[in-house]
Amino acid sequence: GQNIDQPTEMTATEGAIVQINCTYQTSGFNGLFWYQQHAGEAPTFLSYNVLDGLEEKGRFSSFLSRSKGYSYLLLKELQMKDSASYLCAVMDSNYQLIWGAGTKLIIKP
Amino acid sequence: GAVVSQHPSWVICKSGTSVKIECRSLDFQATTMFWYRQFPKQSLMLMATSNEGSKATYEQGVEKDKFLINHASLTLSTLTVTSAHPEDSSFYICSAKTSGWDTDTQYFGPGTRLTVL
Repeated sequence: GQNIDQPTEMTATEGAIVQINCTYQTSGFNGLFWYQQHAGEAPTFLSYNVLDGLEEKGRFSSFLSRSKGYSYLLLKELQMKDSASYLCAVMDSNYQLIWGAGTKLIIKP
Repeated sequence: GAVVSQHPSWVICKSGTSVKIECRSLDFQATTMFWYRQFPKQSLMLMATSNEGSKATYEQGVEKDKFLINHASLTLSTLTVTSAHPEDSSFYICSAKTSGWDTDTQYFGPGTRLTVL
C-alpha cells in the first residue's frame, strides 16, 4: 500500500532550527509537496520537490532523496507564527496526492 | 489512520455538462468536510465548508449555484460542478474532520482531476 510517515508533533524554541522528516512509499512518484496549515485555515503551499536535492526559499528549505523515499522540511530562525501543522504530500504515478497526517509544530518562547 | 477517498480520480467532460465528485470518509464520521481547488504549485484554495445535514458555507467569490455541495451523511459529501467550462478544469481536493477526539486535524483526499473540453 501507499504510505506517508511524518512525526505527529514537534516542539522547538523561537529562533532555533527544526527539521521535519517525511518518508514515503508510493506507487510511482511525481513530486513531493510541503504545506503549512494554521488551525482553521487552508493549507498554504511551501515547496515542491521532484528532483533530488535541496530547495531553499527564505527561512524554509526542503530536501528530497527519491532513492530513499525521504524528504525533510527545514525551518530556520523560528518565529512564533511558524506554529502550525506541516503536511507532506506525494503525487503518485496516477497524479493522485497521498497525504501524511501532518506534523504539529509548537514553538515556545 | 483516518482515510478519505474521492471518486472519480479523473474525469474528462464536455463543456456544458455537469460532473459530480464524491468525497467519503472511510473509517470515521466526518461532521465537517471541506472542498478545495488546487492550482499547480499553489496553495489550496478553500471553496466551501459543509457540515452534515446543513447547507454549505461558500467562500467569497465561489458561485454556490455552480458548485453544488451536498453533505447528506456523516461519511459522504458531493461536489457537483454544473455546466462545466474549460476554466473549471482543475484539481479538486476534499478533506474531512470529525467532531470527536481529533477536532483539529483535517484528513485529505487524493484529489479529483477535472478536465473540461
